[in-house]
Amino acid sequence: KAGVTQTPRYLIKTRGQQVTLSCSPISGHRSVSWYQQTPGQGLQFLFEYFSETQRNKGNFPGRFSGRQFSNSRSEMNVSTLELGDSALYLCASSIPTGENTEAFFGQGTRLTVV
Amino acid sequence: AQKITQTQPGMFVQEKEAVTLDCTYDTSDQSYGLFWYKQPSSGEMIFLIYQGSYDEQNATEGRYSLNFQKARKSANLVISASQLGDSAMYFCAMSRHNTDKLIFGTGTRLQVFP
Repeated sequence: KAGVTQTPRYLIKTRGQQVTLSCSPISGHRSVSWYQQTPGQGLQFLFEYFSETQRNKGNFPGRFSGRQFSNSRSEMNVSTLELGDSALYLCASSIPTGENTEAFFGQGTRLTVV
Repeated sequence: AQKITQTQPGMFVQEKEAVTLDCTYDTSDQSYGLFWYKQPSSGEMIFLIYQGSYDEQNATEGRYSLNFQKARKSANLVISASQLGDSAMYFCAMSRHNTDKLIFGTGTRLQVFP
């Protein structure tokens, strides 16, 4: 059974550009969440999607957006990149059953903004 | 508001010894989940163990066990028979009922020495 796949693994962008990151969940998983990890702020929740609907959103500016497709794959987009957006972006997938369940993470996309 | 506290920035343990990583949490919810993840230097978050708030038995997964003390709001991870490959960052996390959003602690860096 394939795990959570995030692409690309590494990315270098220039300030002001935009970027799109992709996450393919484990087959059968319908919930996808995104997290930003930085040395200063630690792991912070970005958004959670279930059945193409955003269920939760973290405290990030509107430059951060996401979506989920009918096959549960998800993308997140960051527009007008800033140096502070340099981080490891992690995606997690799970089967939401109404009870708390295990979330499985991908290997992450390491974004560097220069 | 929910909060996870990991008070040990770093821990050292000798190979084959057991080690306990501390985690306390704060929540007013009755239903929640507690998780432990391992993050090696590669960046991937590896799921280790899960404990539901209504589970009466402590969770165990191989060499990992979760010492759940609900009244004290603690969810310590015990790793038995440490191995050199256990050297990594360890994160405690919590989720609420009906959401897959995870709140993470600041992590503990575990180093296993021969």
